[in-house]
Amino acid sequence: GAGVSQSPSNKVTEKGKDVELRCDPISGHTALYWYRQSLGQGLEFLIYFQGNSAPDKSGLPSDRFSAERTGGSVSTLTIQRTQQEDSAVYLCASSLPSGAQETQYFGPGTRLLVL
Amino acid sequence: AQSVTQLGSHVSVSEGALVLLRCNYSSSVPPYLFWYVQYPNQGLQLLLKYTSAATLVKGINGFEAEFKKSETSFHLTKPSAHMSDAAEYFCAVSEGGYQKVTFGIGTKLQVIP
Repeated sequence: GAGVSQSPSNKVTEKGKDVELRCDPISGHTALYWYRQSLGQGLEFLIYFQGNSAPDKSGLPSDRFSAERTGGSVSTLTIQRTQQEDSAVYLCASSLPSGAQETQYFGPGTRLLVL
Repeated sequence: AQSVTQLGSHVSVSEGALVLLRCNYSSSVPPYLFWYVQYPNQGLQLLLKYTSAATLVKGINGFEAEFKKSETSFHLTKPSAHMSDAAEYFCAVSEGGYQKVTFGIGTKLQVIP
C-alpha cells in the first residue's frame, strides 16, 4: 500500500516568507507526527495529532509554527515569517494508536532552505 | 523524562567486519526502544523494536539489538557489514501514553571496501 507522502520534497524560500508543508499519512493511521531534522541535531519532535486534535504541541519552536489536520488525514505544517534557522528537513510520520510500541512510518521529508 | 544517547556520531567499519552502534537510554518506566535507519534522501525506516517480549531483538537486513536493563543499553549489531549498510542510524525511546518518541542524534555508518 501507499506509504506516507510529503510535499513539496524541496522548498527554497526567502527569509520572511510563509511556507506550508503537507503530509499525507497512511490510510487508516489516526496518529500523525511532525519532526524537524537539523544537521547534527537528530530528530526534534514538533507536534502530535490524534485524529484532528493536537494534544501535544510542546515541540513547536515558536508561535511562527502552526499545524493543522483535517478529516483525520492530511496535515499541514505552516511556518510564518521564515528565518534562516528554520532550514531543516521536516519529517512526518503516522501510526496506528496502539500504544507506545506502535511503529511510526515516516515520509521522505521536505527539505526547507531559507535564504 | 526519557532520553537517548548515541555514542559516536560517525562509525567506520570495513566490509565484512562487525557493526556495533551504541545506544544508551534513560527512562522512568520500562521503555520501548527502536532502531531506525535513514538512507540518503529518504525517510526513516524501522529496523527493529523492543517491546519487552524478548531481550534479543532481530530486525531486517541482518541487524539485531539486545536490551540490557542493567546497562540501560540497546546496542545495534550486525556480524558482517555490507556496503549497502552505509546510512544513518537512529536509536529511539518511548515511555508510553500516546507514544511520544525521543530520538538520538544519529550515527552515520560508513562501510569501507
